[in-house]
Amino acid sequence: TQTVSQSDAHVTVFEGDSVELRCNYSYGGSIYLSWYIQHHGHGLQFLLKYYSGNPVVQGVNGFEAEFSKSDSSFHLRKASVHWSDSAVYFCAVSCNNYAQGLTFGLGTRVSVFP
Amino acid sequence: DAGVTQTPRHEVAEKGQTIILKCEPVSGHNDLFWYRQTKIQGLELLSYFRSKSLMEDGGAFKDRFKAEMLNSSFSTLKIQPTEPKDSAVYLCASSLKGRRSEQYFGPGTRLTVL
Repeated sequence: TQTVSQSDAHVTVFEGDSVELRCNYSYGGSIYLSWYIQHHGHGLQFLLKYYSGNPVVQGVNGFEAEFSKSDSSFHLRKASVHWSDSAVYFCAVSCNNYAQGLTFGLGTRVSVFP
Repeated sequence: DAGVTQTPRHEVAEKGQTIILKCEPVSGHNDLFWYRQTKIQGLELLSYFRSKSLMEDGGAFKDRFKAEMLNSSFSTLKIQPTEPKDSAVYLCASSLKGRRSEQYFGPGTRLTVL
């Protein structure tokens, strides 16, 4: 069974600041990792994913994430946030078993102030 | 292309009632997922269909929750009988076959059970 941990429940930043959202997982085998964003009152929207290859993956709207096998992490970053980035961000994992769905972390709420 | 649609957007039920939530996945997507979202538990997988076959049924939800995929473009989630603890947002998502890590979510149905 895979688990996901997002250590920060809430992060507050100012517009133009950089932000890093932390995600750690536990699973012994091959794993797919992804990040989603959820604006208030909406469903989740896919940002990016990683399975293999370059550990730094680029997503939409300037987001990127870096995979680290040694740290069991997949942290999300953005160099310069905009007020529209205020949302809840979810990290998700799935193993290489097509019979299983995704496991999501509890989310990190990001509040961007002008 | 239309995204995932869910109806109704809001539902209020009395304890003991039967309610049916509806979902239309993105056209051409083979995988369909139902999740329950609450602040405390986060996103919990209720059901996962691959090409209309049930792959995962979210164990703990078996007794009163039943998801069906009537055809490749329509799914329902029945809760019978409803209990106040079922109050949550129910999200439907779909993905291309084999791309579970990249899911497209609907806006959700907010269920309130009195």
